[in-house]
Amino acid sequence: GQQVMQIPQYQHVQEGEDFTTYCNSSTTLSNIQWYKQRPGGHPVFLIQLVKSGEVKKQKRLTFQFGEAKKNSSLHITATQTTDVGTYFCAGVPGNKLTFGGGTRVLVKP
Amino acid sequence: EAQVTQNPRYLITVTGKKLTVTCSQNMNHEYMSWYRQDPGLGLRQIYYSMNVEVTDKGDVPEGYKVSRKEKRNFPLILESPSPNQTSLYFCASSSTSRTGDYFGPGTRLTVT
Repeated sequence: GQQVMQIPQYQHVQEGEDFTTYCNSSTTLSNIQWYKQRPGGHPVFLIQLVKSGEVKKQKRLTFQFGEAKKNSSLHITATQTTDVGTYFCAGVPGNKLTFGGGTRVLVKP
Repeated sequence: EAQVTQNPRYLITVTGKKLTVTCSQNMNHEYMSWYRQDPGLGLRQIYYSMNVEVTDKGDVPEGYKVSRKEKRNFPLILESPSPNQTSLYFCASSSTSRTGDYFGPGTRLTVT
C-alpha cells in the first residue's frame, strides 16, 4: 500500500532560525495536505497543494509540491515559540488520506 | 461555528465490554473518517465514509465497526475492545472535494 514518510521525526530549533521538514510518498499523489497539531490538541488543516511544482506561502511558512508529485516540503523561517507542535503531511491518492509520521518541532527560546 | 464533536473525550473500560464513540459534524460534509493516533505511528485511518450508507475500510479496520445512517453522524463501535486498542481516536470530516479535513477534539481510550 501507499506509504508516506516524513523526515526528520524530531526537529529542535533555536528561536529565530529556519528549518525544513520533508515528506515523501511511495506513489504519485493527486494532492498533498499539511496539518499542524499542537501538544494536547487535534490536527488542524494548514494547506493543500495540487499542482506539480506548486509553491504556496502562509506568512513564515512555505509549502512546496514536487515536480513528480511524490514529495513535498514545509519550510519555516524565523521560528517562533508559537510554531511548537507536530507537522503532518497527508497524501491523497484517491479517497483516503494517508498521513506521514509527522515532524515534532521543539523551539528553544 | 463549524465543528466536529466527539463523545466521550476520555474513556477507561475493560476488555470485552462493547463501547461506542460518537462523532457528529455540523458542516453538511459528505466525507467522514476515523483515525487512531499512537506514539511513533502517526495517524492511521480506521474507516471512512463517502456518504450516507457508504463506508469502507481504512488501513487498520480490524476490531472496529462503523455506521453512517445520517449524514452528520459517524459512530465508531468497538464490539469487544482489547488492550491493543488503547489509543487516541480522532473523527474527521470534509467535503467531497477533500480540501482539508476538520478534526474533532479526540477521544482518549484506555482498555484494561
